[in-house]
Amino acid sequence: GAVVSQHPSWVICKSGTSVKIECRSLDFQATTMFWYRQFPKQSLMLMATSNEGSKATYEQGVEKDKFLINHASLTLSTLTVTSAHPEDSSFYICSARDGAGINTIYFGEGSWLTVV
Amino acid sequence: KQEVTQIPAALSVPEGENLVLNCSFTDSAIYNLQWFRQDPGKGLTSLLLIQSSQREQTSGRLNASLDKSSGRSTLYIAASQPGDSATYLCAVSIYNQGGKLIFGQGTELSVKP
Repeated sequence: GAVVSQHPSWVICKSGTSVKIECRSLDFQATTMFWYRQFPKQSLMLMATSNEGSKATYEQGVEKDKFLINHASLTLSTLTVTSAHPEDSSFYICSARDGAGINTIYFGEGSWLTVV
Repeated sequence: KQEVTQIPAALSVPEGENLVLNCSFTDSAIYNLQWFRQDPGKGLTSLLLIQSSQREQTSGRLNASLDKSSGRSTLYIAASQPGDSATYLCAVSIYNQGGKLIFGQGTELSVKP
């Protein structure tokens, strides 16, 4: 079946640095990708909707200048956490919509970010 | 604003027991509802997807029902096994929102051998 790959699976960075997380659709074209954040013991909260070739749409309360999203191709979206702080430590997970067929949503395996 | 609630937050049952997880949503204008499984520290595994026009879906020991008018869904797990231990999330997809999902808080299930 369709696969969405996220990289890296986990990353540790120093406070103040920037971290990039990639989300790739491996065997389908994803015109739309979604980025979620999940804090421990909490549910997934949508951060932004990423559309290929256009600016991302951010949910209320999410800082677009801090969480930069780029969707330059039909198979790749990236999330860059700029000037990361310990409170940004979280599980980031993406999903991709297969535009063909019935618009099925597939989730990546997630990326653990720890900011020290 | 659509809100999704799951009850109970945690559940512990002995192996072999049948169980029901509950999910409710505030706005009945949904496109579909999905149940996911999440193991600790892992991503999501889609279990069942129910379109808004459907009443239920079944896969093996799992059965999910949807009552859109009352804003409720249930996930029934038959003959539970220790391997079923995980967090179960339900999520709704909203009309005209491009497929983004609104998640509940999840039910953490523990099946004791």
